[in-house]
Amino acid sequence: DTAVSQTPKYLVTQMGNDKSIKCEQNLGHDTMYWYKQDSKKFLKIMFSYNNKELIINETVPNRFSPKSPDKAHLNLHINSLELGDSAVYFCASSQGTTPYNEQFFGPGTRLTVL
Amino acid sequence: EDQVTQSPEALRLQEGESSSLNCSYTVSGLRGLFWYRQDPGKGPEFLFTLYSAGEEKEKERLKATLTKKESFLHITAPKPEDSATYLCAVQVYGGSQGNLIFGKGTKLSVKP
Repeated sequence: DTAVSQTPKYLVTQMGNDKSIKCEQNLGHDTMYWYKQDSKKFLKIMFSYNNKELIINETVPNRFSPKSPDKAHLNLHINSLELGDSAVYFCASSQGTTPYNEQFFGPGTRLTVL
Repeated sequence: EDQVTQSPEALRLQEGESSSLNCSYTVSGLRGLFWYRQDPGKGPEFLFTLYSAGEEKEKERLKATLTKKESFLHITAPKPEDSATYLCAVQVYGGSQGNLIFGKGTKLSVKP
């Protein structure tokens, strides 16, 4: 029944490590997103991916790279993790990119960098 | 710069005590304004989309309205299960790929 799923739910790792977060949607949507929610609960777009076109928010460090093996998956790979990367990361998807296409969010992955 | 501001940051109500949450926005061109509900430890859950000034939408005890500068989420006779963080977001013309710009949210607590 799950529409947008993410794994893992929790991720605790050391500074300098490389890690990945997986996202899958079973809604048949053509657009997927990654958002970051910081400690103040502020939700901010990182990437959107539609028909193999990747749009990157200019404030995102290039240590972050989304990878889409197919339309249903958009994984987030993070190199050389830093303390400031600690946050909750949400994947979302929509069919189309107009306001008429609501975005469905996953349950989030809480990343803690020690 | 496109911006969304929500107030208050936190709101405590007694069960049955109606109130409103505010979302003011400054954008270059509004394509749509969205309200989401977020429960602790979960992802945002879609509530409403509003497209133009004067538009209203209702769902159970919630009613969202839109003007040219702000949106209100009215909660009528709230129940404890309405306790959550309510997020407002906008999508703008010229923005990238449907990206949403979120406010910081209003944390609503409803006491029995």
